[in-house]
Amino acid sequence: QVQLQESGPGLVKPSETLSLTCAVSDYSISSGYYWGWIRQPPGKGLEWIGSIYASGGTHYNPSLKSRVTISKDTTKNQFSLKLSSVTAADTAVYYCARRGGSYWYFDFWGRGTLVTVSS
Amino acid sequence: QTVVTQEPSFSVSPGGTVTLTCGLSSGSVSTLYYPSWYQQTPGQAPRALIYNTDTRSSGVPDRFSGSILGKKAALTITGAQAADECDYYCVLYLGSGLSVFGGGTKLTVL
Repeated sequence: QVQLQESGPGLVKPSETLSLTCAVSDYSISSGYYWGWIRQPPGKGLEWIGSIYASGGTHYNPSLKSRVTISKDTTKNQFSLKLSSVTAADTAVYYCARRGGSYWYFDFWGRGTLVTVSS
Repeated sequence: QTVVTQEPSFSVSPGGTVTLTCGLSSGSVSTLYYPSWYQQTPGQAPRALIYNTDTRSSGVPDRFSGSILGKKAALTITGAQAADECDYYCVLYLGSGLSVFGGGTKLTVL
């Protein structure tokens, strides 16, 4: 059973960069699949942020592309999210998840971590 | 910008059948969008129910089924139970590595 666990600061100041890491257990991220981030503002729906493939290729939501960077560290079996120039609208629960490349669905999810943007 | 549409809310009686839909702001949903469906209870991460239009994820009861109905993807729940009362999201694959979530449907069982 693949396990994912998000970590990072729960509070970020406006205009700064939000940084989160997702540690993966029981599966090597370099073996395949897409590894990505999804967020959910309080009381609202889910939004796909972007994904990184095992080989390193990335895909980003066009609406966030200018501010997002997803990277991976295969030695630690983890991948990361950086979202720059944050505002209060970026306050959300951030989930990391695995997405298959055959059927393009998110089969394993982390439990999520709340990030609040506030001064 | 592609918008994926879902009913904001739906209500079903216990034991009843309900069909939630997932459409596109312009165009029709087909199997080429690899529709998937997720169930989310309050405070929990989403859980995959259906992928590739009509394939149930491991452990999902056969009360849940997926299909294409007309121009939309559909999730049908038969024999609705109180535990089914939560939010449901669909996801469509747009190609070029891009996924998009629908706005979600809040299902009430009463």
